Amino acid sequence: KNEVEQSPQNLTAQEGEFITINCSYSVGISALHWLQQHPGGGIVSLFMLSSGKKKHGRLIATINIQEKHSSLHITASHPRDSAVYICAVRRGSQGNLIFGKGTKLSVKP
Amino acid sequence: GAVVSQHPSWVICKSGTSVKIECRSLDFQATTMFWYRQFPKQSLMLMATSNEGSKATYEQGVEKDKFLINHASLTLSTLTVTSAHPEDSSFYICSISGRAHEQYFGPGTRLTVT
Repeated sequence: KNEVEQSPQNLTAQEGEFITINCSYSVGISALHWLQQHPGGGIVSLFMLSSGKKKHGRLIATINIQEKHSSLHITASHPRDSAVYICAVRRGSQGNLIFGKGTKLSVKP
Repeated sequence: GAVVSQHPSWVICKSGTSVKIECRSLDFQATTMFWYRQFPKQSLMLMATSNEGSKATYEQGVEKDKFLINHASLTLSTLTVTSAHPEDSSFYICSISGRAHEQYFGPGTRLTVT
């Protein structure tokens, strides 16, 4: 079993829909990251969370440390949100991350 | 936030040759840089942790004599794939960790070995 599990693997939505991507992990962590990878391959860091909730524009990320679960929400989705969204966790004080396999999101106009 | 660049963005080389990939931190002094590899439809896998002024720490299963890492300054780390083979074809990404452990990723280098 992977240490970081994401669901769903693939997600297709209509423009304007509310989207939720889930991440569960099985190890103790010091922080959780949500990343966005576009088809060209470049990766952008969206959020880093250690507790609670963060919001940036149409994106909201939450984390429940006790349940070892995090969610990424996208409100009013748009075709430009189409990308692979990756959950990654950091263990302890080390800087390296353990990655989930990603959720491929496709938003149709 | 820190800006990370990689060069080249893509490279095609013949089997048996060596390829050097550079990772630069443009506005942040990074004592530690990370090198990842991503095969198609797979998640990123950490290859090694590059430490300025000392030897890199390699993950289990990564051959340190094949993937040479040099972190000569606080803004530059290089990954050299020696005697490349087609199975080394992959997407190589570097990242740095900021003071508050935020992550900044380079744009990646796509290596194709023919």
